[in-house]
Amino acid sequence: GNSVTQMEGPVTLSEEAFLTINCTYTATGYPSLFWYVQYPGEGLQLLLKATKADDKGSNKGFEATYRKETTSFHLEKGSVQVSDSAVYFCALREPRGYQKVTFGTGTKLQVIP
Amino acid sequence: DTAVSQTPKYLVTQMGNDKSIKCEQNLGHDTMYWYKQDSKKFLKIMFSYNNKELIINETVPNRFSPKSPDKAHLNLHINSLELGDSAVYFCASSQEPRYDRFHQYFGAGTRLSVL
Repeated sequence: GNSVTQMEGPVTLSEEAFLTINCTYTATGYPSLFWYVQYPGEGLQLLLKATKADDKGSNKGFEATYRKETTSFHLEKGSVQVSDSAVYFCALREPRGYQKVTFGTGTKLQVIP
Repeated sequence: DTAVSQTPKYLVTQMGNDKSIKCEQNLGHDTMYWYKQDSKKFLKIMFSYNNKELIINETVPNRFSPKSPDKAHLNLHINSLELGDSAVYFCASSQEPRYDRFHQYFGAGTRLSVL
């Protein structure tokens, strides 16, 4: 079955530090890959996505590249802000029919001033 | 206007009670979902409906029964509540005009506490 593995948190960084949150996946076929962000007390919001190999998703300074050879979709940001403190979820979805989205376990990021 | 709205936001109840959570989306989407998020933030799909038809039904106790009166609403009824049902329940909706345009929108969640 499909699965998504994320690095365990929490990740604590100082403001303006470089962020990497690792994500690897197991799936048949060519899934779409997503990063969602959940701010405290809120629902998940789509941060970025990529639908085929070598695609780069980007939004709000965050980037992730779909690497089929390493089955990875690592999230990066060059300079984090306190407002980026949240839980980040990596997810995948198979491209056929009404396939469910499989989420990773989430990585909590805390950015300190 | 809130795209996906859930009510109530908080629900505190005793073991053995029956409760419902309501969800409405005003995005015109065809597909709606219920997810359960446990205390460790793990998010698990429970159900999904497309145009009022059940399309995803994960291994969930039959005390949980979804109801979709129309494609804009997906309610979740829980019978005989147990301590282990305490969690945050998220409703979501999606539309897929093209495969690469798939996008899920989530509600703010309902925090259920069973005492």
